[in-house]
Amino acid sequence: KNQVEQSPQSLIILEGKNCTLQCNYTVSPFSNLRWYKQDTGRGPVSLTIMTFSENTKSNGRYTATLDADTKQSSLHITASQLSDSASYICVVSAGQGWTRAANDMRFGAGTRLTVKP
Amino acid sequence: DAGITQSPRYKITETGRQVTLMCHQTWSHSYMFWYRQDLGHGLRLIYYSAAADITDKGEVPDGYVVSRSKTENFPLTLESATRSQTSVYFCATMGGATNEKLFFGSGTQLSVL
Repeated sequence: KNQVEQSPQSLIILEGKNCTLQCNYTVSPFSNLRWYKQDTGRGPVSLTIMTFSENTKSNGRYTATLDADTKQSSLHITASQLSDSASYICVVSAGQGWTRAANDMRFGAGTRLTVKP
Repeated sequence: DAGITQSPRYKITETGRQVTLMCHQTWSHSYMFWYRQDLGHGLRLIYYSAAADITDKGEVPDGYVVSRSKTENFPLTLESATRSQTSVYFCATMGGATNEKLFFGSGTQLSVL
């Protein structure tokens, strides 16, 4: 069983609408949680990084939340644009410290978001 | 000035052949990583390197070999390609103010026939 589960697998919304993507994890001990955006045919690009003590982090129209008690995170996209069409990947790290945690990252399978005009 | 460059972008090969995927970075980041991405699965770590001449296995290292004689280059070799190694391969480096960010290349799409 994957230690990082994302839902939904895919989502279609109309331009201008908001949406929320979910990430549930069982990775332990928890170090940090990242959200990435991956455009088709490109590598993932970092959106947010949150440690245990942070429960929300914003990057423009993207807002990530973290509940370390329930081991859940969400990524909220506000006023969606056509360019938001991409896969969004949740990544959870175990271990201590940034580099040690990087070697122990667990990637979700991603949510494929399509924004239609 | 791409920062991290992977080549080739696409590669088709046959079962049993040796294939090398290249990764080059211009940042001088210490840590570098190789991942594979398969449909329906998350990225999985193949190998990583903490510095030149220091490499270590990740989650799925079987069938792959890496080397890192220079900080900027981290090639991945499939010694005898198999169909199960058909995948998209991503190289990444770790950087940022506290070494917290992963930067990915654009990937190499490899097909083994």
